[in-house]
Amino acid sequence: AQKVTQAQTEISVVEKEDVTLDCVYETRDTTYYLFWYKQPPSGELVFLIRRNSFDEQNEISGRYSWNFQKSTSSFNFTITASQVVDSAVYFCALPISGNTPLVFGKGTRLSVIA
Amino acid sequence: ETGVTQSPTHLIKTRGQQVTLRCSSQSGHNTVSWYQQALGQGPQFIFQYYREEENGRGNFPPRFSGLQFPNYSSELNVNALELDDSALYLCASEDRGQTPGFGSGTRLTVV
Repeated sequence: AQKVTQAQTEISVVEKEDVTLDCVYETRDTTYYLFWYKQPPSGELVFLIRRNSFDEQNEISGRYSWNFQKSTSSFNFTITASQVVDSAVYFCALPISGNTPLVFGKGTRLSVIA
Repeated sequence: ETGVTQSPTHLIKTRGQQVTLRCSSQSGHNTVSWYQQALGQGPQFIFQYYREEENGRGNFPPRFSGLQFPNYSSELNVNALELDDSALYLCASEDRGQTPGFGSGTRLTVV
């Protein structure tokens, strides 16, 4: 069965620190997508990245980077030089089948303190 | 901006009542999924519609039902509300196979 584990419930960092959010998944599929979403207090899930399991290259987008390791079934997310606006709940997700619908982890609440 | 809007934003209902939540998707998005997010938890899949037909269902009882309309809008109906139905309900739409975009949700409180 599809499963996503985000072991870190809450993380608190001081502004400008780097922070890594962990995501470990279980899947029955040989090819699959992985997603990260951000949920600010407004409630909307904001899309951050979709990664195909074929592509194990790390990805960097501005202050965000993702480390995908198929061998350990992990898809970790790092924010460099964190800012107060990064404070939110971050979710890692995996499709139940195909592209959607998604199985989500329980989320990691990130608080960045000025 | 995902182009997905949900209404109402907040809602308070009494146990045993029925409720209808609405979602308006971006034009061309033929797939819509509904999720329930309890406080402190990740969203849980309720069901998905593709071209107005139910295309998959999560572990939710039949009193949770839905509809998708030709104008890319959809509804989530919940009958016989229970206290545990209190949650944020999220709608996500996509052009099938593309990245789903989410609305801001409807926060339902059952008292």
